[in-house]
Amino acid sequence: EDQVTQSPEALRLQEGESSSLNCSYTVSGLRGLFWYRQDPGKGPEFLFTLYSAGEEKEKERLKATLTKKESFLHITAPKPEDSATYLCAVRDGGTSYGKLTFGQGTILTVHP
Amino acid sequence: EPEVTQTPSHQVTQMGQEVILRCVPISNHLYFYWYRQILGQKVEFLVSFYNNEISEKSEIFDDQFSVERPDGSNFTLKIRSTKLEDSAMYFCASTSDGTGELFFGEGSRLTVL
Repeated sequence: EDQVTQSPEALRLQEGESSSLNCSYTVSGLRGLFWYRQDPGKGPEFLFTLYSAGEEKEKERLKATLTKKESFLHITAPKPEDSATYLCAVRDGGTSYGKLTFGQGTILTVHP
Repeated sequence: EPEVTQTPSHQVTQMGQEVILRCVPISNHLYFYWYRQILGQKVEFLVSFYNNEISEKSEIFDDQFSVERPDGSNFTLKIRSTKLEDSAMYFCASTSDGTGELFFGEGSRLTVL
């Protein structure tokens, strides 16, 4: 059974204070690791897909990296609008397209 | 920008009643999904739907649940006899190519009393 564990559960940062979120996973035949952002009362919003160890993706202040056992979401010089829950999810080789196993998320709060 | 729309945004129902949650996926998408999130818990996969049939379903998706694409635009989730533990936010999602880059709707909050 696929497992995804995210840490920390919650993270409070000052504006401009860079940090990283962690996603550890156990999956049989990784067919993609996904990062989503979820604002309160909204559906998840896709950010990145990573497929193989060593891969990196960037978007504005966010950079996602992948190893064989974990992924990091690095946030550089965050702004208050980056406050959200960040979700990590995996898809394994034995499932249909789009069936994702999610972690519980990291709640990020960025104070001005 | 195209988006997935869901109705109703919030539904309150009595235990044992039937509910139908509706979704309009993005128009050129071919793969459709329902996920749910119980308050404070993880987002959980319920079912995937492609080519007018279920391609995969989770253990949660028992005989009380069904999905349908009654026309070219709508995708529905029916719960035949709701239970208290069905209270959750239900998210519809779609994608054009079957990858995990899903487009989610804003969700339908179901409260079962």
